[in-house]
Amino acid sequence: DAKTTQPNSMESNEEEPVHLPCNHSTISGTDYIHWYRQLPSQGPEYVIHGLTSNVNNRMASLAIAEDRKSSTLILHRATLRDAAVYYCILRGRTDKLIFGTGTRLQVFP
Amino acid sequence: DTEVTQTPKHLVMGMTNKKSLKCEQHMGHRAMYWYKQKAKKPPELMFVYSYEKLSINESVPSRFSPECPNSSLLNLHLHALQPEDSALYLCASSQANLVPYSGNTIYFGEGSWLTVV
Repeated sequence: DAKTTQPNSMESNEEEPVHLPCNHSTISGTDYIHWYRQLPSQGPEYVIHGLTSNVNNRMASLAIAEDRKSSTLILHRATLRDAAVYYCILRGRTDKLIFGTGTRLQVFP
Repeated sequence: DTEVTQTPKHLVMGMTNKKSLKCEQHMGHRAMYWYKQKAKKPPELMFVYSYEKLSINESVPSRFSPECPNSSLLNLHLHALQPEDSALYLCASSQANLVPYSGNTIYFGEGSWLTVV
């Protein structure tokens, strides 16, 4: 399974943009880049995913490097409710979804 | 409805007990998953069912026994557990990979908190 590398933790102030980086230099051509987050005492929650092009949805944006070896999850205006562990995961044509260690995001008022 | 429902939310069991965790989804998903999560660690994959057949077992001890009685239900039978098995057990579901592939989002339940005493 291709691996991802994320910073252990990041901090942001409320209403500021947050850029969460992820490196995945061993990504294969058929791997999708998925982001999930886990709020305290809850199950993981889907955030966004993409293959090659940048993606936007109501929760976030995903910027994918041209060589696909890295990506960035962008929260446009962080809220206190966005404090969570964010997982960047590569998902290929299998039923596996393997979590890395993730980035713990703290948001300050 | 994008909900995965897990019961019970909390379970305390002795090491000689037999209990089960249950999971249900009505999204028509044909892949269902069990994950185990210890405190401050990422979820670890245990089992995957695809079209009601066990497709992945990540070398899980036999004291954990999964069952998929139909396409909406997933059980995890627990027997002779150890205190170190205390954890959050997460169920999830997604489209199986035999359908046209588009990245297949996985939907997670809230989990069942298991304490083995």
